[in-house]
Amino acid sequence: GNSVTQMEGPVTLSEEAFLTINCTYTATGYPSLFWYVQYPGEGLQLLLKATKADDKGSNKGFEATYRKETTSFHLEKGSVQVSDSAVYFCALTPTNFGNEKLTFGTGTRLTIIP
Amino acid sequence: EPEVTQTPSHQVTQMGQEVILRCVPISNHLYFYWYRQILGQKVEFLVSFYNNEISEKSEIFDDQFSVERPDGSNFTLKIRSTKLEDSAMYFCASTTGGPEAFFGQGTRLTVV
Repeated sequence: GNSVTQMEGPVTLSEEAFLTINCTYTATGYPSLFWYVQYPGEGLQLLLKATKADDKGSNKGFEATYRKETTSFHLEKGSVQVSDSAVYFCALTPTNFGNEKLTFGTGTRLTIIP
Repeated sequence: EPEVTQTPSHQVTQMGQEVILRCVPISNHLYFYWYRQILGQKVEFLVSFYNNEISEKSEIFDDQFSVERPDGSNFTLKIRSTKLEDSAMYFCASTTGGPEAFFGQGTRLTVV
């Protein structure tokens, strides 16, 4: 079956540090890959996505590249801010056709210290 | 910007009681989902719904759970007889049929 393995947290960084949160996946076929973010007290928000190999998703300074050869979709940001403190979830759907459930990783709690 | 709305934001119920969690998906969306997140754990799929019927359900979604779209705008999740282990954050999501799902803010269910 499909699965997502995500870097365990929590992760604590200083403001302006470089961030990487690792995510690898197992899936047959050509999944779509996502990063969702959950800010304190809020629901899940889509941060970025990529629907085919070598696509780069980007939003709010975050980036992730769909690497089929390494089955990875690592999240990166060059300079984090206190407002980036949240829980980040890597997720996939089996294809990009829609009407498919998301399979989530365990989430990584990120705390940014001023 | 259109959004998925869920009510209530927090529900406390006694074990054995029935609860109904409500969701209003984005109006032109066709596919609807419920997920749950037990505190500190991963988000888990419960059920998907399309064309007024369940299209897929997980092993979590047993006979105690049911979903309904009673009036063309609301999408509800009913738990008939709540257990302590049903305590979780429940998220509703909807899509147009493409790969991007839009989530509501969640309902925190506490069973005491």
